[in-house]
Amino acid sequence: DARVTQTPRHKVTEMGQEVTMRCQPILGHNTVFWYRQTMMQGLELLAYFRNRAPLDDSGMPKDRFSAEMPDATLATLKIQPSEPRDSAVYFCASGSPERDEQFFGPGTRLTVL
Amino acid sequence: AQSVTQLDSQVPVFEEAPVELRCNYSSSVSVYLFWYVQYPNQGLQLLLKYLSGSTLVESINGFEAEFNKSQTSFHLRKPSVHISDTAEYFCAVSERGGNTPLVFGKGTRLSVIA
Repeated sequence: DARVTQTPRHKVTEMGQEVTMRCQPILGHNTVFWYRQTMMQGLELLAYFRNRAPLDDSGMPKDRFSAEMPDATLATLKIQPSEPRDSAVYFCASGSPERDEQFFGPGTRLTVL
Repeated sequence: AQSVTQLDSQVPVFEEAPVELRCNYSSSVSVYLFWYVQYPNQGLQLLLKYLSGSTLVESINGFEAEFNKSQTSFHLRKPSVHISDTAEYFCAVSERGGNTPLVFGKGTRLSVIA
């Protein structure tokens, strides 16, 4: 059963530390999305890639967030330095033009103290 | 630009009672419509989707949603809820399905009371 995987599932860190979250999209999917879920803002798009090229990262704070796809099987979201307001659940999703839906990973719950 | 409004943040309902979760959207282009469900401490699962064709779409677990273009709505209904339906429900739109971003509503927390 093909699934999107994310690591780590939980991360607790201190303010100022670097955080890296990883996502493995479903094999064959060419589009990868990063969403963030908070109580205040709900679910919002941070960035997305198609065929490993970034198409939109306007939802990310540029000074501290960066997203990359080193290869077709790995997407990363990095925060440096992290701040308490970054505490949230970060979801990765993947999709393709042939499918009508996106498939979500289980999320990374980040707590920045 | 697209936006989604879920009018109710919380909906408590007794077991076996009917429920309707409301969703309205705004878009300058044609969109696909989705309902996702999130159980506690889990990711999002697709519940149902409207792409085209029949305006009434159904899920395998008894939920249905009706697309109403004139009212720009996509309300979710179930005639008889179970305790296991307790979850957060998100309405979302996108220009396409699998490869364009989703715009989500704020979510509706459905609590089913025994």
